[in-house]
Amino acid sequence: QQQVKQSPQSLIVQKGGISIINCAYENTAFDYFPWYQQFPGKGPALLIAIRPDVSEKKEGRFTISFNKSAKQFSLHIMDSQPGDSATYFCAATLHGANNLFFGTGTRLTVIP
Amino acid sequence: GAVVSQHPSWVICKSGTSVKIECRSLDFQATTMFWYRQFPKQSLMLMATSNEGSKATYEQGVEKDKFLINHASLTLSTLTVTSAHPEDSSFYICSARTPGLVGGEQYFGPGTRLTVT
Repeated sequence: QQQVKQSPQSLIVQKGGISIINCAYENTAFDYFPWYQQFPGKGPALLIAIRPDVSEKKEGRFTISFNKSAKQFSLHIMDSQPGDSATYFCAATLHGANNLFFGTGTRLTVIP
Repeated sequence: GAVVSQHPSWVICKSGTSVKIECRSLDFQATTMFWYRQFPKQSLMLMATSNEGSKATYEQGVEKDKFLINHASLTLSTLTVTSAHPEDSSFYICSARTPGLVGGEQYFGPGTRLTVT
């Protein structure tokens, strides 16, 4: 059973546009929600993360929006650039637990 | 920031041989390290969790006798693929968890591409 559902599977955005990737989770005990960026042939890199006590977190062009009641969270990439083209994974983890539950990934392509 | 390295970055081996992959946390001590496997265009699949000085915990369906994990120190974990077969060809990624953080960050290594011929 997929603990974290991610959509869309792929996304094409024009340079300068906004990229939006959505994730939904089932387990209300999850208390940490990171986003990872992965380039081909590389390991995932932590991009930004949020805890459920806030509804939004912004770091530069990247923003996480969190809706606790809907059990959904999303990544917004403002002013998308070709260098943002990568696969993005959302994830969630339980309080006190070690392992991350990953979404299925979104392949983002930003066209010039 | 927290840096995790892996060695080698890619390896080709013949069927039936064993391959060892190293994962190191370079600038922090990692009490817990994780090993993932990733197939092309797919998400990461957790294989096992290793804690320094104790036996690894394997996920369901992962053969512990085939994928040997040793977490000998706070900065080093190794994954040995024994008697490798072509179906073991994959991208193997380790991660390390910073201590003292509940539900905290995991930092990933750059991955190791294993090809078994």
